[in-house]
Amino acid sequence: DTGVSQNPRHKITKRGQNVTFRCDPISEHNRLYWYRQTLGQGPEFLTYFQNEAQLEKSRLLSDRFSAERPKGSFSTLEIQRTEQGDSAMYLCASSFLGTRLNEQFFGPGTRLTVL
Amino acid sequence: DAKTTQPPSMDCAEGRAANLPCNHSTISGNEYVYWYRQIHSQGPQYIIHGLKNNETNEMASLIITEDRKSSTLILPHATLRDTAVYYCIVRDGNGGSQGNLIFGKGTKLSVKP
Repeated sequence: DTGVSQNPRHKITKRGQNVTFRCDPISEHNRLYWYRQTLGQGPEFLTYFQNEAQLEKSRLLSDRFSAERPKGSFSTLEIQRTEQGDSAMYLCASSFLGTRLNEQFFGPGTRLTVL
Repeated sequence: DAKTTQPPSMDCAEGRAANLPCNHSTISGNEYVYWYRQIHSQGPQYIIHGLKNNETNEMASLIITEDRKSSTLILPHATLRDTAVYYCIVRDGNGGSQGNLIFGKGTKLSVKP
């Protein structure tokens, strides 16, 4: 399968714990995005990378959140000191900048439940 | 904030055409209309996009009004597998400064047998 993959698919944690999610984009894609989706809402943009550089962060990305893409390939999203309000689906998408379309391909998401 | 307005839900009979409307009255000249859909428990999936001409691909057709203030996504023969939330998104077609997608709440399409 050459699509975007995310791990784990589900994560249950207790409030105050740290969690880390991984995203593996489509291999030739140079842009990688993180979104968050809560129940009944559309996905909300969190941050994106072009190669290894993090170029934009949403105001939704509090200082408890950090994202990395160390070699311009896979990316990790870490949430420190989780809160119940962090419970959501975290979606990763990738695209190739250089085409006019810049279509984003989404992974299946990681569903986080904070107890 | 999303630049589009969509009805929250629609029903369609299996085998019939599903016509999903979207209003984007503040669209600017260099902005494209994109449609994505999200089937339950999956990530969003690209369907189609257009600037001002009508577009068709293997999944759907996109009809954009002459003034570009609204559009309609047409699924010509809806199947049960087309049941999903459909998002209409307006953004710079070259990816803009960020290229991130701004989703609204979309239209939940229910295809019924």
